[in-house]
Amino acid sequence: EMVLTQSPGTLSLSPGERATLSCRASQSVTSSYLAWYQQKPGQAPRLLIYGASRRATGIPDRFSGSGSGTDFTLTISRLEPEDFAVYFCQQYGTSWTFGQGTKVEIK
Amino acid sequence: QVQLVESGGGVVQPGRSLRLSCAASGFTFSSYGMHWVRQAPGKGLEWVALIWYDGSDKYYADSVKGRFTLSRDNSKYTLYLQMNSLRAEDTAVYYCARDSGYENYYYYYALDVWGQGTTVTVSS
Repeated sequence: EMVLTQSPGTLSLSPGERATLSCRASQSVTSSYLAWYQQKPGQAPRLLIYGASRRATGIPDRFSGSGSGTDFTLTISRLEPEDFAVYFCQQYGTSWTFGQGTKVEIK
Repeated sequence: QVQLVESGGGVVQPGRSLRLSCAASGFTFSSYGMHWVRQAPGKGLEWVALIWYDGSDKYYADSVKGRFTLSRDNSKYTLYLQMNSLRAEDTAVYYCARDSGYENYYYYYALDVWGQGTTVTVSS
């Protein structure tokens, strides 16, 4: 069974700083099948990145995704106040699996 | 605009049943696969089930297989999740979400539109 491990669990940063979030898979993932979501308190998740590096409709270009194989990264180049949230990675292998999430909080 | 609205959640005793609905609007419902994803209180996301665009195929997480049943009525733009033999561990917010489908002949297996969720609490 595929397991996605996200790190760090919590990232404490200031607005304007760069955020780098990691998602490591227990087995190799087809890059096309790796996505990232943002979730704010009390809200539904929102698709940010799919196909490892493709931005979803309406997502600002400060969000970028990269990686291949078992290691994937979500980068937020300059944090805006609205970016403080929880981020989940997701993959498809034989079914859909989510990572446990990384919380990006204001330092 | 593209929208998904879930309903049907509530408090139910262990072993009982509940049916969730998800009403879609703003897109051609019959062209998309649809998922259910749940989130237990304070926890991460767990994929529950997928139904193909025409209802011809369904996939379930092992944790719900044999207890939950997906269906859809494309004429009503509505997705359903029948949940039987409910357990305490089924307590969660249940989200319906649209499958991203094909883009330029590639299938990305992402979930591109989400509803706001409906809360299911299984407790005696």
